[in-house]
Amino acid sequence: SQTIHQWPATLVQPVGSPLSLECTVEGTSNPNLYWYRQAAGRGLQLLFYSVGIGQISSEVPQNLSASRPQDRQFILSSKKLLLSDSGFYLCAWSSYSNQPQHFGDGTRLSIL
Amino acid sequence: GNSVTQMEGPVTLSEEAFLTINCTYTATGYPSLFWYVQYPGEGLQLLLKATKADDKGSNKGFEATYRKETTSFHLEKGSVQVSDSAVYFCALSGDLIDGSNYKLTFGKGTLLTVNP
Repeated sequence: SQTIHQWPATLVQPVGSPLSLECTVEGTSNPNLYWYRQAAGRGLQLLFYSVGIGQISSEVPQNLSASRPQDRQFILSSKKLLLSDSGFYLCAWSSYSNQPQHFGDGTRLSIL
Repeated sequence: GNSVTQMEGPVTLSEEAFLTINCTYTATGYPSLFWYVQYPGEGLQLLLKATKADDKGSNKGFEATYRKETTSFHLEKGSVQVSDSAVYFCALSGDLIDGSNYKLTFGKGTLLTVNP
């Protein structure tokens, strides 16, 4: 069966520090991969998605970036965090388009 | 573009009460529709889905019917339990016709609290 792993589960970072969140999927090949952010108001905002290695689509201009160095690995990065980057970050995968997405347990990021 | 509107709540019910959470959508073509549930501090879990008109998705006593004529996908459960307390999200995946098939469009979520 397929599983998705996100780490770390929680992270506290100072303003201006770099960020790297990692997500890996097991048990499937060539998944679509997604990064979302969930702010305190509960809504989900799609940040990036990828349909293949090295293919990244950005949905919202910001100081975050994403990379997919391997088929089942998706990384969310920032060179300099802002206070507004605080939130709950969720990674998800789907087998192909128009299919359900399956979410990881999330990373709670707090910026001080 | 695609959009999903769901009642924002919060919704507070007593155990064994009937639940309805309304969801309506706007989309081009024939989207797929989903309900997700998020328990406190966790990621989202797929609750049920429907991929074409008149399909009924069901799981764990929850059900929702894809109504194209009213562009709705309301979530229902006949008898809620305390363990159903969570945030519920309605979502759609767009049609190939406009290239939005790769993305999920979410409603803002409905907080459900069930009291014993």
